[in-house]
Amino acid sequence: GAVVSQHPSRVICKSGTSVKIECRSLDFQATTMFWYRQFPKQSLMLMATSNEGSKATYEQGVEKDKFLINHASLTLSTLTVTSAHPEDSSFYICSARQTATNEKLFFGSGTQLSVL
Amino acid sequence: RKEVEQDPGPFNVPEGATVAFNCTYSNSASQSFFWYRQDCRKEPKLLMSVYSSGNEDGRFTAQLNRASQYISLLIRDSKLSDSATYLCVVISANDYKLSFGAGTTVTVRA
Repeated sequence: GAVVSQHPSRVICKSGTSVKIECRSLDFQATTMFWYRQFPKQSLMLMATSNEGSKATYEQGVEKDKFLINHASLTLSTLTVTSAHPEDSSFYICSARQTATNEKLFFGSGTQLSVL
Repeated sequence: RKEVEQDPGPFNVPEGATVAFNCTYSNSASQSFFWYRQDCRKEPKLLMSVYSSGNEDGRFTAQLNRASQYISLLIRDSKLSDSATYLCVVISANDYKLSFGAGTTVTVRA
């Protein structure tokens, strides 16, 4: 089946630094990728939707200048958490769709970000 | 009101028991429904789609009630390995937007 690779799986960083998380579709072209955040014991919260070659669409309350999303190719999307703070510590997961209307989602394995 | 709501549980059941829980959705234009399973700090994995007529996959039965706008998941003969959080996912017909429920935690004890 289709595989989405996400890395790093875990990152610990100092407050004020930036962290980049990569999400790659390994055996299919993903026109749409999604980024989620999940706090402990809470559900996945959609942060943004990115379509290849265009600007990401951010959900209400998500700062686009803080969470930079780049979807420069059909197999790679990146999320950069800029000037990370302890409250940004969370589990971040990406998922990919082959087309905008394809219902099947393929998830990355997630990145646990801890900001000290 | 949240687009998708689930009873968070936890549902603590003994091995072999049957456990069932629902997920309600607010958007009547929702067209597709799924149950995902998520283990702690792992990515969600698709458990099963939910069809209008209801469907079974082994010990798992999913139902859709469009009139009352909810889907359900029933697990028969629970196994220890069924312990997880079950997320319902609803896709809107308008924009294919996915909405996740907060998850229902099931713990199966020996």
